[in-house]
Amino acid sequence: AQKVTQAQTEISVVEKEDVTLDCVYETRDTTYYLFWYKQPPSGELVFLIRRNSFDEQNEISGRYSWNFQKSTSSFNFTITASQVVDSAVYFCALSGLNAGNNRKLIWGLGTSLAVNP
Amino acid sequence: EAGVTQSPTHLIKTRGQQATLRCSPISGHTSVYWYQQALGLGLQFLLWYDEGEERNRGNFPPRFSGRQFPNYSSELNVNALELEDSALYLCASSSRTGPSSYEQYFGPGTRLTVT
Repeated sequence: AQKVTQAQTEISVVEKEDVTLDCVYETRDTTYYLFWYKQPPSGELVFLIRRNSFDEQNEISGRYSWNFQKSTSSFNFTITASQVVDSAVYFCALSGLNAGNNRKLIWGLGTSLAVNP
Repeated sequence: EAGVTQSPTHLIKTRGQQATLRCSPISGHTSVYWYQQALGLGLQFLLWYDEGEERNRGNFPPRFSGRQFPNYSSELNVNALELEDSALYLCASSSRTGPSSYEQYFGPGTRLTVT
């Protein structure tokens, strides 16, 4: 069975602080994709990143960076110099590539991030 | 470029009735996905349609069904509504081939309330 765990339910930081959101996953598929999505108060899920299981290079996009470690089954997301506009619920998700799992996104319960001015 | 659109925004039904939710994918996308986001349960995969065919299904009873039309838009039908079906129903779309076909882009959702 596939599973995604986001242990942090809520995080509150002050603007300009760095914050890391944790994601741990379980899958028996040998090939899979990992994702992060943002759900702002407006409610619409926004795609942030897709990572292949065979590509463990870290990725940086502006103030966002992602650390994928296959050895610990983790795919953590760091926001540097957080801003109030970063306040949202962030979801980590997994999609295995085996037949029964194909295109089926398995989601963590999300981490609610509040960035206070 | 227009994103995924869903209608209606809100839907109120009584127990036992049927609900129909609609979704239009991003232009050029052929795959449509449906998810349920219920309080306390998180996001759960319901259905995946591609080229008019159901390709994968989540652990939901048969009263959750849908279809995809030739223009790639989709309908989700929920029969014999139960109170626990109250949730936000999200539709997503993706392109057909290549690694980016795994990137699902979401609409704003339909809030279904069953009384």
